[in-house]
Amino acid sequence: EIVLTQSPTTMAASPGEKVTLTCRASSSVSYMHWYQQRSGTSPKLWIYETSKLASGVPNRFSGSGSGTSYSLTINSMETEDAATYYCQQGSSYPYTFGAGTKLELK
Amino acid sequence: EVQLQESGPGLVKPSQSLSLTCSVTGYSITSNYWGWIRKFPGNKMEWMGYISYSGSTSYNPSLKSRISITRDTSKNQFFLQLNSVTTEDTATYYCARLGLRRAPYYFDYWGQGVMVTVSS
Repeated sequence: EIVLTQSPTTMAASPGEKVTLTCRASSSVSYMHWYQQRSGTSPKLWIYETSKLASGVPNRFSGSGSGTSYSLTINSMETEDAATYYCQQGSSYPYTFGAGTKLELK
Repeated sequence: EVQLQESGPGLVKPSQSLSLTCSVTGYSITSNYWGWIRKFPGNKMEWMGYISYSGSTSYNPSLKSRISITRDTSKNQFFLQLNSVTTEDTATYYCARLGLRRAPYYFDYWGQGVMVTVSS
């Protein structure tokens, strides 16, 4: 089973700040997906196949990476971006999730 | 618009079976793949399994002996059964649509989730 390790576990960012969240896989995967979950709601697909933004996702978000290292970047933090972000790999059975990064507003 | 809605008991006794229903509107379950994911207290998430548009299934090996995913195409619903539950199965259970019929699988539509507590 591929283990996904997200870092940091928690972080706070100020409005306008650039934010980078990292997901490292225990073995190489071909793509990474990301989900946003706000408190009390279900996860939403945010970025799929490493760098494609899901419908409705603002273009201040981007995704990149390959092999065992992937990242989600917010170009300029906004209030509404405060949430927990999970990475997920769907390339290698069984499909696994990271433990999440909680992003708070400073 | 694709919408999914989980339903089922919020409390299950240890050693019994957990049974949940996912009702889908706006899209036929005879297209795409449909899965179950759970989120434990403490936020760990686990893919449990999926059922394909043709009815074939795939399960997480950690659950393989206890899990069954079935469907009723006439009602556009699919179901989760998890046998011999313990307190470690306490979680919020989500049903979701898989965005692709092939790897790399991701989940593009989710239900709102149902919290299930296993307790006597």
